[in-house]
Amino acid sequence: NAGVTQTPKFQVLKTGQSMTLQCAQDMNHNSMYWYRQDPGMGLRLIYYSASEGTTDKGEVPNGYNVSRLNKREFSLRLESAAPSQTSVYFCASGFALGEKLFFGSGTQLSVL
Amino acid sequence: GQQVMQIPQYQHVQEGEDFTTYCNSSTTLSNIQWYKQRPGGHPVFLIQLVKSGEVKKQKRLTFQFGEAKKNSSLHITATQTTDVGTYFCAVIARPGQNFVFGPGTRLSVLP
Repeated sequence: NAGVTQTPKFQVLKTGQSMTLQCAQDMNHNSMYWYRQDPGMGLRLIYYSASEGTTDKGEVPNGYNVSRLNKREFSLRLESAAPSQTSVYFCASGFALGEKLFFGSGTQLSVL
Repeated sequence: GQQVMQIPQYQHVQEGEDFTTYCNSSTTLSNIQWYKQRPGGHPVFLIQLVKSGEVKKQKRLTFQFGEAKKNSSLHITATQTTDVGTYFCAVIARPGQNFVFGPGTRLSVLP
C-alpha cells in the first residue's frame, strides 16, 4: 500500500520547456489535489479534482493544466515553464472535499 | 477571500519547554485541520476539529478550537527534538469547500 506516489522527485527545466508531473494514489480516494509550496507561503492550491471526471481551478492555476486520467491518477502539466514556477509541488488525495489529506513526497522543480 | 494567519512564524525552544502556535481566521470556520511537516518531508495530518470549543489531545499535543470558531491553537508540552518541523493549520469556511492553508509555524527544538 504505497499511498500517494509522485514522480519525478526532482526536475530542472529551462524557461519555456514543458513537463508533466505524475501522481497516483492507491487508497480509492475520490478527491485529488495539486499544491505548490513556496518559502513562507504555506501550501497553495493549484488545481483539484473533486471526483473522477471533474477538475477545477484553485488559488493559483495560471500556467498549469491538469488531467484526471482515472480515479487513481491526476497529472499536472506545465506547458511553458517560467522561473516563477520554481517551487516544491505536492500531490494530495482524500476521500472527499474537506476530508483529511494524504500527501505525496513532493517534486522539487527548478526553472532556470 | 479566506485569510488565515499563524503566529508565531518561527519559534525556537529548549528541549523540555512548552510550545504553542495559533491559527486565526478572518471568518467563521466550518472545521480546521492541523498538519505537521518535518524538514524535507511532506505534510502529515494530525487532527481535525469541528465543534465550537472542542479540545482534543494526542499524547503531548493539545488542540483547541475557539468558541467563536475563528481560531485554533496547538500546544505541545515538554517539547522533544522529534517535534521539530513546520505546523500548518488548514481551514474550511463552509462544508464542501477546499481547505485554505495557513503559512505555518516553524518549530526548532534545541537539545
